[in-house]
Amino acid sequence: AQSVTQLDSQVPVFEEAPVELRCNYSSSVSVYLFWYVQYPNQGLQLLLKYLSGSTLVESINGFEAEFNKSQTSFHLRKPSVHISDTAEYFCAVNPTGAGNNRKLIWGLGTSLAVNP
Amino acid sequence: NAGVTQTPKFRVLKTGQSMTLLCAQDMNHEYMYWYRQDPGMGLRLIHYSVGEGTTAKGEVPDGYNVSRLKKQNFLLGLESAAPSQTSVYFCASSDGDRGQAFFGQGTRLTVV
Repeated sequence: AQSVTQLDSQVPVFEEAPVELRCNYSSSVSVYLFWYVQYPNQGLQLLLKYLSGSTLVESINGFEAEFNKSQTSFHLRKPSVHISDTAEYFCAVNPTGAGNNRKLIWGLGTSLAVNP
Repeated sequence: NAGVTQTPKFRVLKTGQSMTLLCAQDMNHEYMYWYRQDPGMGLRLIHYSVGEGTTAKGEVPDGYNVSRLKKQNFLLGLESAAPSQTSVYFCASSDGDRGQAFFGQGTRLTVV
């Protein structure tokens, strides 16, 4: 069965420090990979995605994630965080192939708290 | 472009009351989903639809019903609300090709 594990439920960090939010997945088939962000009292927004091609993907606000097939990981990183990055971050995978009905498999989320 | 719109945004129900949550998307997506979000439990899939006129159960379907009479709308019903259904409900739609989901802003439901 497929699963997604976000290894840290909470990550406190100081402003301008680097951060890494870890995501591992388990799947017997190829996957598409996503990171979503949820700001307080809002819905989820796509942050970045890996579909194919380069294993390093970037978002417009400085986050990046690298797909590591051998380690089945898709960790999210940012070299210098801002207060405004405080949010809940969700990792999700979509196993390819028929029969999945495009149901994303979600991690439980990582709460990133950026402190001044 | 409105994307995915949920109504209402907030609601308080008494135990035993019924209500319907409406989700509308204007992206012509085939796939639509209802999730609930509870602290520490992430997103849990309630029901989903792979096209107009179809529905299927997700992880936590008990106590909920859904209908997809029109492609753009996906309704979630609670027939007899219980305090355990206090949650934030999210609707999402997907283009189906890669599974990227687009979310509404959520409905915060409290059952007292």
